[in-house]
Amino acid sequence: GAVVSQHPSRVICKSGTSVKIECRSLDFQATTMFWYRQFPKQSLMLMATSNEGSKATYEQGVEKDKFLINHASLTLSTLTVTSAHPEDSSFYICSAEQGAHTGELFFGEGSRLTVL
Amino acid sequence: GQQLNQSPQSMFIQEGEDVSMNCTSSSIFNTWLWYKQDPGEGPVLLIALYKAGELTSNGRLTAQFGITRKDSFLNISASIPSDVGIYFCAGHDNNNDMRFGAGTRLTVKP
Repeated sequence: GAVVSQHPSRVICKSGTSVKIECRSLDFQATTMFWYRQFPKQSLMLMATSNEGSKATYEQGVEKDKFLINHASLTLSTLTVTSAHPEDSSFYICSAEQGAHTGELFFGEGSRLTVL
Repeated sequence: GQQLNQSPQSMFIQEGEDVSMNCTSSSIFNTWLWYKQDPGEGPVLLIALYKAGELTSNGRLTAQFGITRKDSFLNISASIPSDVGIYFCAGHDNNNDMRFGAGTRLTVKP
């Protein structure tokens, strides 16, 4: 299957700093990537849809100024958690769709953010 | 977003036993997908289903796309310890939206 890579896998930061997480599709181009947040023992919660060359679409309740998404190329989307607080600590996962509207998503390995 | 109804929430089985889990929805989906997530990692696609009634196997895994397009099941035969993990169903609808089930946590006792 297609490969999606996320970096970093773990990051610890101080409260008030910003953290960038990268999501790359390694062997295919993805016009659309998705960012999720996952709380312990819960399912994936879609945060936003990242569209190459245009603004991201955010789910209701997700602050776009808090979670900045940039999809500058067909293989890279980034999520920046700005002015992080301890409540932002979570497991963040990205996915990329191989082919348009196929519904076949391939996920990154996830990034665990801990804000002290 | 809205989640699918996935059951059971958790299962504790003996190695060698068969497992069955399912997802239902009030909405119609065009695609059903099943993923497995190991602790601390992202979900991995196991099986994708594209047609109502479709039955697809991947090794010891078998999944079916319900005739009504509102449900799907996943079976695992002859379970082994490495089957441990969380299994998620996902449905892809006409609006190009993906919905996820809450997950089934599988524990396999050797």
